[in-house]
Parts: sequence; structure tokens; C-alpha cells
Amino acid sequence: GAVVSQHPSRVICKSGTSVKIECRSLDFQATTMFWYRQFPKKSLMLMATSNEGSKATYEQGVEKDKFLINHASLTLSTLTVTSAHPEDSSFYICSARAASLNSPLHFGNGTRLTVT
Amino acid sequence: AQTVTQSQPEMSVQEAETVTLSCTYDTSESDYYLFWYKQPPSRQMILVIRQEAYKQQNATENRFSVNFQKAAKSFSLKISDSQLGDAAMYFCAYRRPGYGNKLVFGAGTILRVKS
Repeated sequence: GAVVSQHPSRVICKSGTSVKIECRSLDFQATTMFWYRQFPKKSLMLMATSNEGSKATYEQGVEKDKFLINHASLTLSTLTVTSAHPEDSSFYICSARAASLNSPLHFGNGTRLTVT
Repeated sequence: AQTVTQSQPEMSVQEAETVTLSCTYDTSESDYYLFWYKQPPSRQMILVIRQEAYKQQNATENRFSVNFQKAAKSFSLKISDSQLGDAAMYFCAYRRPGYGNKLVFGAGTILRVKS
């Protein structure tokens, strides 16, 4: 079945550095990918919608210069947390959908980011 | 804007018994999709069941079934013969048709299964 691979699963970085998280669709072409952030025991909060070949659409309140999203190919989207601070520590999840209409959404395993 | 409400932050069920998780939503659309996702401690999001709004018949997947009341905008999940592996966070979600449309999640319900 369809699989979405997210890497890394865990990352620890120092405050002020940047971290890149990758989301790959392994056996289908994903024209649309979504990036979510989840706090402990809370719901998934949509950060942005990533469309292949165009700029990402960010949700209200999400800083686009802070969270850079690149969807350069039909199988890869990246989220870069720039100049990370401890408050950026969170669980980040990507999801991807194939191009066909009403195709299901597949989730990555998530990335636990800890900023020290 | 569409909203999804899960009014039960936590629920408990005895192993082998039945539990119902509630979900209501608000939309002005007539055609849409509803989902229940399970998130175990591994944090992997697992699709449990899906319902198309134009279908009157309630979706069923083995021990999982829904009670979809379109007029009331209610979409509850019933888990029969509960198992220890059912313990997880459950999210109700809404999506309009079309490949570009995002999922809107409810706040989630933590389900605990007692042995």
C-alpha cells in the first residue's frame, strides 16, 4: 500500500540553528502535502499546504519565514525550521495525497524536534 | 469555516465491551467526507473508518462502526468488543471533496481500555 516516509524521526538541535525535515511519498506521486504540528495530547494543527511546483499556503498565524516549505518534486516536500528556539520543540507530521480526485491521505510517522 | 467538535477528552472502556466516541461538526456543504483516525503511543496516524456524506448507509470496518446523522451533523464511532490495542487517541476529521482540500481535526478523545 501507499507509504509516506518522514525523516528524521527524532532530532535535537541547538537554539539558533536550522533543521530540515523531509517527507517522501514512496510509491505514489503527491501533488499535495500537508504539514502539521502537534503538542502533547493535543490535536493536529495544520501549518501549511504544500503544492508541487508552487509556493506553500500557510495557515493563519504560521510564520512562513520561520517554517520554510519546499515541494520541489512530486515525491518530496521539506519543512525547514529556521533559527529554531525551544518553543519550536514539538511533534511535526506530514501527510500526502496522490493526484487522483478524492484519493486518501497518508501520514508520515512524524518527527520529534527538541530545541535545546 | 468548518469546525469539528469532540466533547469527550477521555473515555474508558472495559476490555470486550462497547464504547462510543462522539463527534459533531459544522458545515454548510452538502457533500463532504468524515473520518476517524487512531493515534496510538507510536504517534502514527491510522485511518479507522471513512464516511461519504452522500451515502446514507453507516460505514463499518470489522469492530468499528459509525452512526452518521447528517441532519444533526453528528458522526459517532462505536468500538465493539474493545481490545487493549484499541487504547489510543482518536480524532474525528472532516474534509470537503477535491484533492486540494485539507482535513480539519477535532480535539481528540483519549480512549483507555481496562483489562
